[in-house]
Amino acid sequence: DQQVKQNSPSLSVQEGRISILNCDYTNSMFDYFLWYKKYPAEGPTFLISISSIKDKNEDGRFTVFLNKSAKHLSLHIVPSQPGDSAVYFCAASARSGGSNYKLTFGKGTLLTVNP
Amino acid sequence: AAGVIQSPRHLIKEKRETATLKCYPIPRHDTVYWYQQGPGQDPQFLISFYEKMQSDKGSIPDRFSAQQFSDYHSELNMSSLELGDSALYFCASTGPSSGANVLTFGAGSRLTVL
Repeated sequence: DQQVKQNSPSLSVQEGRISILNCDYTNSMFDYFLWYKKYPAEGPTFLISISSIKDKNEDGRFTVFLNKSAKHLSLHIVPSQPGDSAVYFCAASARSGGSNYKLTFGKGTLLTVNP
Repeated sequence: AAGVIQSPRHLIKEKRETATLKCYPIPRHDTVYWYQQGPGQDPQFLISFYEKMQSDKGSIPDRFSAQQFSDYHSELNMSSLELGDSALYFCASTGPSSGANVLTFGAGSRLTVL
């Protein structure tokens, strides 16, 4: 049973436009959400995160939105650049009451930004 | 800055053989996580260690074992290898020095079982 779902395996966007990557989750115990970016032959690299007490977190060109009632989060990249082309993983963890930050991942979305 | 180091980066084994993967966490990180990513799949959590003790266990087969040593490095031992064990194995670490306790991943070890 996939607890974190990324329903779009791939997304293609023109340089300079907005990229929107979506993620849904089913486990209501998740209270911390992260986006990781992965280039070929490299490990996932942390990009941005959001706690369940917030609905938005922004870091430069990257913004993550969280809709707890819908159990949905999205990553917006504006403006998109060719160097953003990578696989983006949505991940979640249940941190309340513990120190184990184990992540549950989605299957990833391959973003291609065309020049 | 030092990152998570995994070795070997690539490993080819025959069915029923044994393989050992090593992970060296970021200095002063005390927690190590192992993940397995099959082709086209999401990374699946296998096992984690905190201060040399197993802290959580996921979908790790009984044929696999792991441990964390006194210098905080970890080893994943895989025996009686099967074709389905072919995957990318990621190690990640976290600790008091990591921002918001975000997991930092190594580049992965690609295991191919023939």
